[in-house]
Amino acid sequence: GIQVEQSPPDLILQEGANSTLRCNFSDSVNNLQWFHQNPWGQLINLFYIPSGTKQNGRLSATTVATERYSLLYISSSQTTDSGVYFCAVEPSRGSTLGRLYFGRGTQLTVWP
Amino acid sequence: DTAVSQTPKYLVTQMGNDKSIKCEQNLGHDTMYWYKQDSKKFLKIMFSYNNKELIINETVPNRFSPKSPDKAHLNLHINSLELGDSAVYFCASSLVSGGASSTDTQYFGPGTRLTVL
Repeated sequence: GIQVEQSPPDLILQEGANSTLRCNFSDSVNNLQWFHQNPWGQLINLFYIPSGTKQNGRLSATTVATERYSLLYISSSQTTDSGVYFCAVEPSRGSTLGRLYFGRGTQLTVWP
Repeated sequence: DTAVSQTPKYLVTQMGNDKSIKCEQNLGHDTMYWYKQDSKKFLKIMFSYNNKELIINETVPNRFSPKSPDKAHLNLHINSLELGDSAVYFCASSLVSGGASSTDTQYFGPGTRLTVL
């Protein structure tokens, strides 16, 4: 099956710093989503971004589908950004509709 | 206005018992999913239903049986619970148009933390 690799696995920041999280995938995809799992375990949709660039407040994401990677940018980080960030993809070949494959996540800790 | 809800939020039970987790979505979506998140936070799909029809059935023990009474509900029944079933189970839903080659955003419920003693 498709491989989804996220980096870095862990990231520790001071409040106010910027960061970039990366997601590499091994095959073409129909769907790519970024999620934030907060410390209470809730999985929150950040972006649906199979290609292109999107922005939502301090967060933005870019997916370069032809080069099989996506980046999540967090600017002016806040303590509430702490948690695990997951990338998930749906392969466009040989896959049943809707089957999302998750990366292992990036654990982000933001200190005040 | 909860979009995807699950009950219960926490479930603690003894080995060998049978338990159910319920999921409901009020988004009008056609497709619902069950995912399992293990102790290392790895998320993996278990099942998917589209308009009450099973479309994804991963390599899951047959002690796990999903049931979809209608397209707004997808319940998960687990027989003869084992220690290794302890995990967080997430329900999700998405809008899938008929004949679409790709899915829309998947929205997740709050999760059910299952602990088997």
